[in-house]
Amino acid sequence: GQSLEQPSEVTAVEGAIVQINCTYQTSGFYGLSWYQQHDGGAPTFLSYNALDGLEETGRFSSFLSRSDSYGYLLLQELQMKDSASYFCAVGYGQNFVFGPGTRLSVLP
Amino acid sequence: DTEVTQTPKHLVMGMTNKKSLKCEQHMGHRAMYWYKQKAKKPPELMFVYSYEKLSINESVPSRFSPECPNSSLLNLHLHALQPEDSALYLCASSQEGTSGIEQYFGPGTRLTVT
Repeated sequence: GQSLEQPSEVTAVEGAIVQINCTYQTSGFYGLSWYQQHDGGAPTFLSYNALDGLEETGRFSSFLSRSDSYGYLLLQELQMKDSASYFCAVGYGQNFVFGPGTRLSVLP
Repeated sequence: DTEVTQTPKHLVMGMTNKKSLKCEQHMGHRAMYWYKQKAKKPPELMFVYSYEKLSINESVPSRFSPECPNSSLLNLHLHALQPEDSALYLCASSQEGTSGIEQYFGPGTRLTVT
């Protein structure tokens, strides 16, 4: 099976930069995705890495290193609205697996 | 239109009831998914329809029965559920295939089994 690991909680202040790591024990997956989910809301897609390297989308960047079985989501210029849960996820074959999620709290 | 809609928003049902959850998307996506999410846990994939062909997650009990009437609609039929089936049920769609790149999620149906 596929196994992903993330820190359970991260806390940062407004305006700061935070990195959420994702390590995995898997193979044969298409790429690493990141989703954001606010309390009571649905997951929303943030970013996808099919190849090693950095992908940048506005304040959010995501990185993948297949050789290190590691990826991260980087959030810059944190805002209060960024307080949410963040999930890494992989798709392979007919399946799609989410990591356990990291709860980000942004403090004023 | 980048919206996935789900009905109902909330559902309370007894263990002997039969009910259905509905999901609709008009983005021309060819893959649709059902997920189950318990509180403070990640979504867990239950079923995938890709080009209207079902892929079954073998760990899902038979009391959950999916149906894909056409490429825009997805139903989840519920029968003889257990209290532990209480959860948020999320529908999602993606442009094609089951690699899951950029899935769009509906708001979910919060199900309570009494």
